[in-house]
Amino acid sequence: DQQVKQNSPSLSVQEGRISILNCDYTNSMFDYFLWYKKYPAEGPTFLISISSIKDKNEDGRFTVFLNKSAKHLSLHIVPSQPGDSAVYFCAAQPNQAGTALIFGKGTTLSVSS
Amino acid sequence: DAGVTQSPTHLIKTRGQHVTLRCSPISGHKSVSWYQQVLGQGPQFIFQYYEKEERGRGNFPDRFSARQFPNYSSELNVNALLLGDSALYLCASILSGFSYNEQFFGPGTRLTVL
Repeated sequence: DQQVKQNSPSLSVQEGRISILNCDYTNSMFDYFLWYKKYPAEGPTFLISISSIKDKNEDGRFTVFLNKSAKHLSLHIVPSQPGDSAVYFCAAQPNQAGTALIFGKGTTLSVSS
Repeated sequence: DAGVTQSPTHLIKTRGQHVTLRCSPISGHKSVSWYQQVLGQGPQFIFQYYEKEERGRGNFPDRFSARQFPNYSSELNVNALLLGDSALYLCASILSGFSYNEQFFGPGTRLTVL
């Protein structure tokens, strides 16, 4: 029973275009959402996060949108660059003590030049 | 400053054996979390330790155990290895034991069980 779902295993985008990665969740108690990027042979690297009280957070080329009523969030990368090619994980943190993250299965983004 | 270090990088074991994985967090960080990432899946939470005490445990059998030392480094132990334990084991370093602190992941230990 997956609480965080990334339904697109892969996404291919041309350099300079927008990449949109989607994530759905089922648990309304999630309080905080994060996106991580992972290159082969490296651990996941924190990218951007959003609190459940906000609907948008922006950091440079990366913007995360949260739609609580739809239990959906998305990561927009504009413009996409070849170095963005990696696996992107959506993660959620429940509203409780502790720091356990619940991850989706990931989406592999390929940006071609 | 060194980031999160994990050892060994790769490990091959046979079914029924025991394995110990090690993690050193970022200097000044007092909490460590362990995750298991099976191929094609996202990381799955195993344990969190803060100030040498277990703060959280995921849905893993008792064959999995961990501890944190006074210098905040941590060990993950897995007994009676099964083929399904083959995975990338990730350690995350966290400043404190509380929510919403950024988690910094190590490169992981790739465990193969034959």
